[in-house]
Amino acid sequence: DAKTTQPPSMDCAEGRAANLPCNHSTISGNEYVYWYRQIHSQGPQYIIHGLKNNETNEMASLIITEDRKSSTLILPHATLRDTAVYYCISSDNYGQNFVFGPGTRLSVLP
Amino acid sequence: GAVVSQHPSWVICKSGTSVKIECRSLDFQATTMFWYRQFPKQSLMLMATSNEGSKATYEQGVEKDKFLINHASLTLSTLTVTSAHPEDSSFYICSAHGQLSNQPQHFGDGTRLSIL
Repeated sequence: DAKTTQPPSMDCAEGRAANLPCNHSTISGNEYVYWYRQIHSQGPQYIIHGLKNNETNEMASLIITEDRKSSTLILPHATLRDTAVYYCISSDNYGQNFVFGPGTRLSVLP
Repeated sequence: GAVVSQHPSWVICKSGTSVKIECRSLDFQATTMFWYRQFPKQSLMLMATSNEGSKATYEQGVEKDKFLINHASLTLSTLTVTSAHPEDSSFYICSAHGQLSNQPQHFGDGTRLSIL
C-alpha cells in the first residue's frame, strides 16, 4: 500500500495557483517526498522532491510541514497543459521503493 | 533533465508470441532500473527491480519466467513478455535510477501492449 494519501481529484482555474496536498504521516527520517505527474498515455514526469526544507524549481514549489507529516505541491500559474494525475510518493534516500497510490487528478479549467 | 527512452511505444501481437521492450537511459548511467505495469484507470504497479549485472528482483505475484528482465549494461534493460496472452495487455513503463542517492527515478514514456 502507498504510504501517502491524496485527494482523488481537484479543479483549478487556468492562471491560478494549484495547491495539491499530500499526507505522509508515517514518513521516516530518511525518506524523501517525491512528486510526479502523469499525462494520459505517457510515463510519469518528475516534478520535484525534498526532505524537509521547502524546494522550488522551474516547474513547481514544494512546501513540507515542519513535522514532515504533510506537504503541498504548488503550481504557481496553472495552464491547461498541467491537467494530469499527480502522484506524491515517500521513499528512502536512494530514490527507490516507489509505491504509487491513486494520486490526485487535477483538472485545469479555462 | 535525465532522459529515459522506451521502445517500442506501441505493439500489437498475436497470443502466444513473445514481445521484447527496451528501456535506455540516454544521458546517465542507471545502476537500477524498474519495470511497472499500469492497467486502465489504475495506478502504476511495480513488477520488478533490476540492478546492472545481476538478476532482477520480482514483486510478489509477478511470474519471473513469464516476464524476463535483462539489465546487461548501465544504460539498457529489457523486459520480454513470453508467450503473451490477452490478459498481459497493459501499459508497461520503465524507470531508471542513477548512482547518486536521493535522486529521483526517471521514467520512460511507456509501451502499450495489446495481445489479440
